[in-house]
Amino acid sequence: DAKTTQPPSMDCAEGRAANLPCNHSTISGNEYVYWYRQIHSQGPQYIIHGLKNNETNEMASLIITEDRKSSTLILPHATLRDTAVYYCIVRPSFSGNTPLVFGKGTRLSVIA
Amino acid sequence: EAQVTQNPRYLITVTGKKLTVTCSQNMNHEYMSWYRQDPGLGLRQIYYSMNVEVTDKGDVPEGYKVSRKEKRNFPLILESPSPNQTSLYFCASRVSAGRGSLSETQYFGPGTRLLVL
Repeated sequence: DAKTTQPPSMDCAEGRAANLPCNHSTISGNEYVYWYRQIHSQGPQYIIHGLKNNETNEMASLIITEDRKSSTLILPHATLRDTAVYYCIVRPSFSGNTPLVFGKGTRLSVIA
Repeated sequence: EAQVTQNPRYLITVTGKKLTVTCSQNMNHEYMSWYRQDPGLGLRQIYYSMNVEVTDKGDVPEGYKVSRKEKRNFPLILESPSPNQTSLYFCASRVSAGRGSLSETQYFGPGTRLLVL
């Protein structure tokens, strides 16, 4: 799987948009970008994924640059409950049995 | 509601006393796996199962057993727990590989915090 780089921590004011960047400059053509988050000691939660087009769902938006070397996860109106560690993972659409590898992620603190 | 459940959520036991952590999913997923999470080490896969009666070792299988007799259940068995198995355990499930990008969308249980004295 391609390596990803994320800032170790970020703060965001409650109600504002949280923009979490991820660098994946070695991504290959068949690899998707997945985002998960883990709220303190809870199970990781899938958020969104994309290949090259921007994606949006009820939780977040994913913006992938045209060269696919980086992406941004956007939480449009962050709440205190969005405080978590956010993981950006790059995986091919068929990776077989290999486990998900969660790096260190970005610790997002939403502040009232 | 689609979910993965684990029981118990918290467990304190003593060295050598056999225990089982149950995992169940209601999404008809073929693939299930167990992870442990330790500070500074991230999530590490213990065992996984591609389907009923098909299981295989992950990265850290020593001291653990699993079984997959039914599609929905994937229990984790510690025959003789030791203090180094004190950890936070997560069960996860997803559809089988080969179904495109959705195959990588994993659903995790709430976690089981185990303390072995």
